[in-house]
Amino acid sequence: AQSVTQLGSHVSVSEGALVLLRCNYSSSVPPYLFWYVQYPNQGLQLLLKYTTGATLVKGINGFEAEFKKSETSFHLTKPSAHMSDAAEYFCAVSTPNDYKLSFGAGTTVTVRA
Amino acid sequence: DTAVSQTPKYLVTQMGNDKSIKCEQNLGHDTMYWYKQDSKKFLKIMFSYNNKELIINETVPNRFSPKSPDKAHLNLHINSLELGDSAVYFCASSQDLQSLNEQFFGPGTRLTVL
Repeated sequence: AQSVTQLGSHVSVSEGALVLLRCNYSSSVPPYLFWYVQYPNQGLQLLLKYTTGATLVKGINGFEAEFKKSETSFHLTKPSAHMSDAAEYFCAVSTPNDYKLSFGAGTTVTVRA
Repeated sequence: DTAVSQTPKYLVTQMGNDKSIKCEQNLGHDTMYWYKQDSKKFLKIMFSYNNKELIINETVPNRFSPKSPDKAHLNLHINSLELGDSAVYFCASSQDLQSLNEQFFGPGTRLTVL
């Protein structure tokens, strides 16, 4: 079975600073990897995903993530944080024929003015 | 235009009651899901349906019964509600069963069992 571990349940950054959210996965077959964002009192929205091909994936709102097979990681970054980035971020993994997403525990991002 | 909608948004009820949550998607997707998000924000899949057929049932108590009258709807009925059922329940949909597809989530239903 596949799983993800998100390191750090809370991340606090200053506005304009780098945002780095860590995600490590476990999978016996090549994974599909996702980052979702959940704004307060809302459902989840896809930020970006990796399935195959280019390992650096660009998403919405200036976020990007890099798939590193050797490190079994899929860390999410944004060069310059904005107040509107304050939210809960979830890393998720799936595999072909899995038919479901397995989510990490989430990372809460707060942005300081 | 709301892609995935759920009703009600909030549900407060007593232990032992039976309640239902409705979900509708207007995206023309084949696959729909129910997730439970607990108080620590951990998300876990409960059920998935593809073309009205049950695909995943993740060891959910049989007090929970999903029903899919058509591809656009997946409702969740819960019998004999317990305190531990308090959570936010999210409905989601995707184009089909392929795992690489994006899932589109509804706004959630916050269930509180007193």
